[in-house]
Amino acid sequence: GAVVSQHPSWVICKSGTSVKIECRSLDFQATTMFWYRQFPKQSLMLMATSNEGSKATYEQGVEKDKFLINHASLTLSTLTVTSAHPEDSSFYICSARGDVSGGLKETQYFGPGTRLLVL
Amino acid sequence: RKEVEQDPGPFNVPEGATVAFNCTYSNSASQSFFWYRQDCRKEPKLLMSVYSSGNEDGRFTAQLNRASQYISLLIRDSKLSDSATYLCVVMFMAYDMRFGAGTRLTVKP
Repeated sequence: GAVVSQHPSWVICKSGTSVKIECRSLDFQATTMFWYRQFPKQSLMLMATSNEGSKATYEQGVEKDKFLINHASLTLSTLTVTSAHPEDSSFYICSARGDVSGGLKETQYFGPGTRLLVL
Repeated sequence: RKEVEQDPGPFNVPEGATVAFNCTYSNSASQSFFWYRQDCRKEPKLLMSVYSSGNEDGRFTAQLNRASQYISLLIRDSKLSDSATYLCVVMFMAYDMRFGAGTRLTVKP
């Protein structure tokens, strides 16, 4: 099956610093990548959708200047949380959609997630 | 009204029990439907797609009722390893997946 990796798996940082999270599709080309955020006991909330080589589309209420997304290649997307604050502490999950052999076209394949704790 | 609503549970059932989860969605134009499973502190993983005709995968049966905008998941002969949160997912368009908050299941010996 399709494999999506995320790095780092967890990060603790001081308030005011920026944190970059990488999402990679390891065995397929991801035409579209998605970034989600999940707070404890809550659902995944879509933050933004990005297509390779174009600007990300952000969901309502998500600050694009705070959550910078770069989808520079068909296998890599990055999310940078700029000037992180404690309220940004969350579980950030990326997913990728692309042409996966034997897979459903509509399926998104999720990365393992990144736990961010801002002190 | 939430786009995708699920009973949060928790459902605590003994091994071997049959348990059913329900999910309703608000957008009648929704096109695709899925059940995902999420283990604690892990990413969601696709369990099965849901089709109007209903579909079965081993002990798992999924049903879709478009008229009522309702999706269900039935788990027969529950195993301890079935303990997880089950997420109902509705796709409005090709790139737009909406997740329910999840239903937590604990299967006990």
